[in-house]
Amino acid sequence: EEQLVESGGGLVQPGGSLTVSCTASGFTFNSYWMVWVRQAPGKGLEWVANIKGDGSKKNYLDSVEGRFTIFRDNAKKSMYLQMNSLRAEDTAVYFCARDLTYVSDTYYYDAFDIWGPGTTVTVSS
Amino acid sequence: AIQMTQSPSSLSASVGDRVTITCRASQAIRNELAWYQQEPGKAPRLLIYAASRLHTGVPSRFRGSGSGTDFTLTISSLQPEDFATYYCLHDSNYPRTFGQGTRLDIK
Repeated sequence: EEQLVESGGGLVQPGGSLTVSCTASGFTFNSYWMVWVRQAPGKGLEWVANIKGDGSKKNYLDSVEGRFTIFRDNAKKSMYLQMNSLRAEDTAVYFCARDLTYVSDTYYYDAFDIWGPGTTVTVSS
Repeated sequence: AIQMTQSPSSLSASVGDRVTITCRASQAIRNELAWYQQEPGKAPRLLIYAASRLHTGVPSRFRGSGSGTDFTLTISSLQPEDFATYYCLHDSNYPRTFGQGTRLDIK
C-alpha cells in the first residue's frame, strides 16, 4: 500500500526550531516531487514548500523562505521540513503529500494524490 | 502571488442535488488547477487535476471545467459522503495558492 506518515510535531516556543518528518512506503520515493501543506486551526489549506525527486529543486511560500528548509533523504524514503524562528502563525497541522506530476503537451500539472494524516505543530509560550 | 477566490464560502444542499462551486484566479492560469475534498479531521483528497481530469477512483458525478481565470467544480447528484469542504489550488507558478474553501453542508 502506498502510504505517507508524518512525525515530529509538538509544542515549541516562539523563536524556536523544530523538524518534522514524512516517511513513505509502497512506492518509488525518489521518482516524485513531494510537498508540504499546512492548515492552521479552523482555517484553510496553505501550500508551504516542495522538493524535486532528486532534491535538486526546492520552492517555498514567501512567508517561510529563509526560515524553513525542505530536504529529503531518498535512502530513508523520507522528507523533512526544518523550521527555524518559529512564529505563532506557524501553528498548524502539517501534511506531506506526493505529487503525481501529470504531464501533457510539455506542461506539468500538480496532483497531490497521496497524503499523510498530518502532524501538529504548536508555537506558543 | 496569484489569489484564488472561491464562491460560495458555504453552501447547504440535499442528497441528490446538483451543486456548483466556482474558483476565480487573479490572473490567467491556463488549466493549471486542481480540486481537493477535505472531511473534518482528515487529510485532503485529490478529485480533479489539470482543471478537468478526474483522478483515479473518483466518482464520475464530480466534474471540473474552466480555463484562464474561471473554473467550476460540479457535483451532479450529491451523495451523503460528499458533504465536506472543497478547495481549489493553482499550479501555474510559485507559490501555489489554495482558494479559501467552500463548506458543503446538508440542508
